[in-house]
Amino acid sequence: AQTVTQSQPEMSVQEAETVTLSCTYDTSENNYYLFWYKQPPSRQMILVIRQEAYKQQNATENRFSVNFQKAAKSFSLKISDSQLGDTAMYFCAFMKLAGANSKLTFGKGITLSVRP
Amino acid sequence: GAGVSQTPSNKVTEKGKYVELRCDPISGHTALYWYRQSLGQGPEFLIYFQGTGAADDSGLPNDRFFAVRPEGSVSTLKIQRTERGDSAVYLCASSLDQNTEAFFGQGTRLTVV
Repeated sequence: AQTVTQSQPEMSVQEAETVTLSCTYDTSENNYYLFWYKQPPSRQMILVIRQEAYKQQNATENRFSVNFQKAAKSFSLKISDSQLGDTAMYFCAFMKLAGANSKLTFGKGITLSVRP
Repeated sequence: GAGVSQTPSNKVTEKGKYVELRCDPISGHTALYWYRQSLGQGPEFLIYFQGTGAADDSGLPNDRFFAVRPEGSVSTLKIQRTERGDSAVYLCASSLDQNTEAFFGQGTRLTVV
């Protein structure tokens, strides 16, 4: 079974600054995806960024980038130039590629507040 | 529709009652997932449909929970004899097929009083 751990319950950052959200995971799988999802008060989960485990290069999406350390089973999210609209809960998630079920295993989430 | 639609948005029911939660996936998406998100927690997997069949229902907590997807599109999550511990946000997601990006609905917040 896979587990995803987000040990920081909440963080705060000043607008325009950079913040890093931590995530660790445990699995015996070799082929998998890792994700960061954003959940604003509207409740809808929005995909922020995805990392394939077989790729060594860290994924980037505009202001969002990850630091993927496969050996350490660590997957942190860096948000640059934080904006007020980034205020939300952020969830780290794992999906194994083998088998017929692409279900996601989520961490407990972290509440990010961006201060004006 | 353009996205995954879930109805109702909010549902309050009395302990012991039966409820149905509906999910309309994105048109053409063959994979459909139900998750449950308790307060302060991440979503937890309940059941996965590929087409009309439940390919994995290992996340359903007990036999009071059941889900169907009779025509491979709309899915209904059914909860019998509701308990206060069933109170949570129930999220639905769909994807074109397995291993592709899942798109989530806005969830149904179920409150059992």
